[in-house]
Amino acid sequence: AQKITQTQPGMFVQEKEAVTLDCTYDTSDPSYGLFWYKQPSSGEMIFLIYQGSYDQQNATEGRYSLNFQKARKSANLVISASQLGDSAMYFCAVSGGYNKLIFGAGTRLAVHP
Amino acid sequence: DTAVSQTPKYLVTQMGNDKSIKCEQNLGHDTMYWYKQDSKKFLKIMFSYNNKELIINETVPNRFSPKSPDKAHLNLHINSLELGDSAVYFCASSQLGAGTSGRVGQETQYFGPGTRLLVL
Repeated sequence: AQKITQTQPGMFVQEKEAVTLDCTYDTSDPSYGLFWYKQPSSGEMIFLIYQGSYDQQNATEGRYSLNFQKARKSANLVISASQLGDSAMYFCAVSGGYNKLIFGAGTRLAVHP
Repeated sequence: DTAVSQTPKYLVTQMGNDKSIKCEQNLGHDTMYWYKQDSKKFLKIMFSYNNKELIINETVPNRFSPKSPDKAHLNLHINSLELGDSAVYFCASSQLGAGTSGRVGQETQYFGPGTRLLVL
C-alpha cells in the first residue's frame, strides 16, 4: 500500500524567502507519480507540480520545484521567493493503482510580510 | 471556462435525508474520481470511473452510490445521511484512462471546487 508522510504540520516563512516543504513516500509500485497540490483558505485544490518516478530531472514550474530523491523516497517541494498569496495548505500525493491519489496530512504554510 | 465543476457548492441537510452532488468536466478526460476531505483536512479516494466503468471502490458505505451517465459526468448520491458524512467532497478528473490493468499512470488529476456537506 502507498503512504505519504508530511512531518511539518505548520511552517512559517518570510516574504521573498525560499521554503521547503517535506514529503516522504512509500510505495511498492515500480512506476508512480508524485504530486503537490495547494489548498488556499477558499478551499479549492490547485495542482502545482508533478514528478514521474522515472524522470531523471527534478520537475520545475515557475517558482515551484520538486526535489526528488528516489533512493530516499522523498519529494520535497521548494517554493522560491515566497509571496503572501502562497499562504495555504500544501498536500503531497503519490499515485497508486488505477491512478488513485494517496495524500499526506498536509502542511500549513504561513507567509509573513 | 470552468474545467471541473460541482453543484451544489454548499449542502446543508438533516440526518436521514437523501442528497446528490453533481460533477461535470469539460477537459475531455476519460477518468473521474470522488474524494472526501474530513474535518482534519485529510483527503481520501472514494470512487473512480473510467469511461463510465467503476474501477475504484474504496471501503465506502453502500449508502454512497456513484453514477456516471457519460465520461464527462460523475454524480454522487448519498442515502440516509449521517452526521459523519459531513465533509467536503471533491470531484476530480484526469486525462489518460487508468485502464483495467491496474497500471499506474502519470496522469495529473484536476479537482473541482468541492461541495461542503453539513449534516445536522
